Amino acid sequence: DTGVSQNPRHKITKRGQNVTFRCDPISEHNRLYWYRQTLGQGPEFLTYFQNEAQLEKSRLLSDRFSAERPKGSFSTLEIQRTEQGDSAMYLCASSPPVGQGLTNEKLFFGSGTQLSVL
Amino acid sequence: DQQVKQNSPSLSVQEGRISILNCDYTNSMFDYFLWYKKYPAEGPTFLISISSIKDKNEDGRFTVFLNKSAKHLSLHIVPSQPGDSAVYFCAASALQGGSEKLVFGKGTKLTVNP
Repeated sequence: DTGVSQNPRHKITKRGQNVTFRCDPISEHNRLYWYRQTLGQGPEFLTYFQNEAQLEKSRLLSDRFSAERPKGSFSTLEIQRTEQGDSAMYLCASSPPVGQGLTNEKLFFGSGTQLSVL
Repeated sequence: DQQVKQNSPSLSVQEGRISILNCDYTNSMFDYFLWYKKYPAEGPTFLISISSIKDKNEDGRFTVFLNKSAKHLSLHIVPSQPGDSAVYFCAASALQGGSEKLVFGKGTKLTVNP
């Protein structure tokens, strides 16, 4: 399977703990996105990488959140001192380089990591 | 504030009939619109898109219509099939503004009954 891979699929943690999620994009895709989806809502943009550079961040990404893509391949999203309001599905997506179609059109999503903060 | 609105949380249609899903937006900077489909326990998958320079785009059974003056778009599925049952998200972006961000609506759950 060469789709976007996210691990773990599910994470249950206690309030105040730190968690880290991993995303492996489609191998030839240089653009990587993180979105968050809560119950009854659509996905909300968190951040965007082009290769290893983090080019865009949402105000939703508080100082407890940090995302990295150190070698321009996989990415990690860390949440420190988790709160119950962080409970959500965290979605990763990737898209190919410019010139292979409009990037937003070719956004490929992973199946997400479901976070539950108790 | 909700910049992309899908006011119908759910829609039920009979197999073979037309499904019409609606979406309204408020940000006049949006210049590209997309529909994504989502099955349970999966990520959203791209369905169809339309640029603001067009008013219609068709792909097989799926057609998207854009009315810029009304800031409204709709997705038509004809004929509807049971496998189309999913949550449909409308999304918009301001590509000319240089943002890679997609703004999604809350989704409409479509059920196609056999």
